[in-house]
Amino acid sequence: EAQVTQNPRYLITVTGKKLTVTCSQNMNHEYMSWYRQDPGLGLRQIYYSMNVEVTDKGDVPEGYKVSRKEKRNFPLILESPSPNQTSLYFCASSPSTARMNTEAFFGQGTRLTVV
Amino acid sequence: AQSVTQPDIHITVSEGASLELRCNYSYGATPYLFWYVQSPGQGLQLLLKYFSGDTLVQGIKGFEAEFKRSQSSFNLRKPSVHWSDAAEYFCAGYYAGKSTFGDGTTLTVKP
Repeated sequence: EAQVTQNPRYLITVTGKKLTVTCSQNMNHEYMSWYRQDPGLGLRQIYYSMNVEVTDKGDVPEGYKVSRKEKRNFPLILESPSPNQTSLYFCASSPSTARMNTEAFFGQGTRLTVV
Repeated sequence: AQSVTQPDIHITVSEGASLELRCNYSYGATPYLFWYVQSPGQGLQLLLKYFSGDTLVQGIKGFEAEFKRSQSSFNLRKPSVHWSDAAEYFCAGYYAGKSTFGDGTTLTVKP
């Protein structure tokens, strides 16, 4: 089954404790992206990756890091989480940005609380 | 800066009534446009997309959307709403690698 898998689904952590949210897709998609969703603000793009070893900032990259060492995985790293990073996070993947056929498959989301 | 705007935060319709959710975009060039639906506690599901060509696009679950370049709009419509359509709907634009989502419209369906 084609899917985007995020782990963990729920996480409570303390300020300053480094964490990683994993994202994996099994569709051989080139493009992957991370979003955060906050009430009244819709989804805001954090980082995206057009292919392996190619990443770029979205609209709200501060406080986050990503890596794309292999096509299927795109982890989101919070080196020193702060309470304002409490949010619902979504990972998404798309077939390609070069082809005229772009649609995103979304993971189920990770609800992160930073206390 | 590119933006996607959904003017209506919350819409309530009666079951069986028609529905239109508004979406306006602001880009230097025509982006790819999408409508997604999100049920509580769930991820986003793609309803339909517009890349080019026919301005009226059909999607899943009986939804359609019309692209109007002159109005910079991409409104979502459904002729007859079902109770199961109650959810939050997001319009999104995509251009050169970056995605921009509207703030969402919450749809409530009255019996």
